[in-house]
Amino acid sequence: AQSVTQPDIHITVSEGASLELRCNYSYGATPYLFWYVQSPGQGLQLLLKYFSGDTLVQGIKGFEAEFKRSQSSFNLRKPSVHWSDAAEYFCAVGASYNNNDMRFGAGTRLTVKP
Amino acid sequence: GAVVSQHPSWVICKSGTSVKIECRSLDFQATTMFWYRQFPKQSLMLMATSNEGSKATYEQGVEKDKFLINHASLTLSTLTVTSAHPEDSSFYICSAPRQGSSYEQYFGPGTRLTVT
Repeated sequence: AQSVTQPDIHITVSEGASLELRCNYSYGATPYLFWYVQSPGQGLQLLLKYFSGDTLVQGIKGFEAEFKRSQSSFNLRKPSVHWSDAAEYFCAVGASYNNNDMRFGAGTRLTVKP
Repeated sequence: GAVVSQHPSWVICKSGTSVKIECRSLDFQATTMFWYRQFPKQSLMLMATSNEGSKATYEQGVEKDKFLINHASLTLSTLTVTSAHPEDSSFYICSAPRQGSSYEQYFGPGTRLTVT
């Protein structure tokens, strides 16, 4: 079964600084990869996803992520963080054959300093 | 975009009682819905898959007699925590994939359950 590791539990960055959240997955076949953001009192919102094709995917809110098969990684990046980006971020991996077999990482909490 | 709601957003109940949590897809029909449990500072763990018109499919280790799931219509799934105990206290989240976009799930805002 697939699994996801988010090595950083909590990250603090200054507003305007760049951001990279790490995600490593374990899966034998080509994974379906996702990044979600969870704000307090709100549901998880999909930022971006990778199924196939271009390994650099663009998402909403200025986020992007790059799939690196050799490193089993799918790191999330943003060139300039805004205070409103403070939230919990989850990386998830799905198996290509089973819609409900999605596994989530433990999440990374992002704090943005003014 | 697609919206999924949950009710209640938070609930406190006494040990031994049952609590029902509703999950609704507001602007689309969902033949399948998923129920997750999230512990503080931990990942979402899939509990079960709710199927409209048939029995739910439970993940290994999840007690189906304790966590009753009913998918009554194409827009409503309910999770009932029966004979709740303090260890059932958690954050419960539902999601639903939109038709034609099976790998994009829409998540509800979650329900915080506290059992005293």
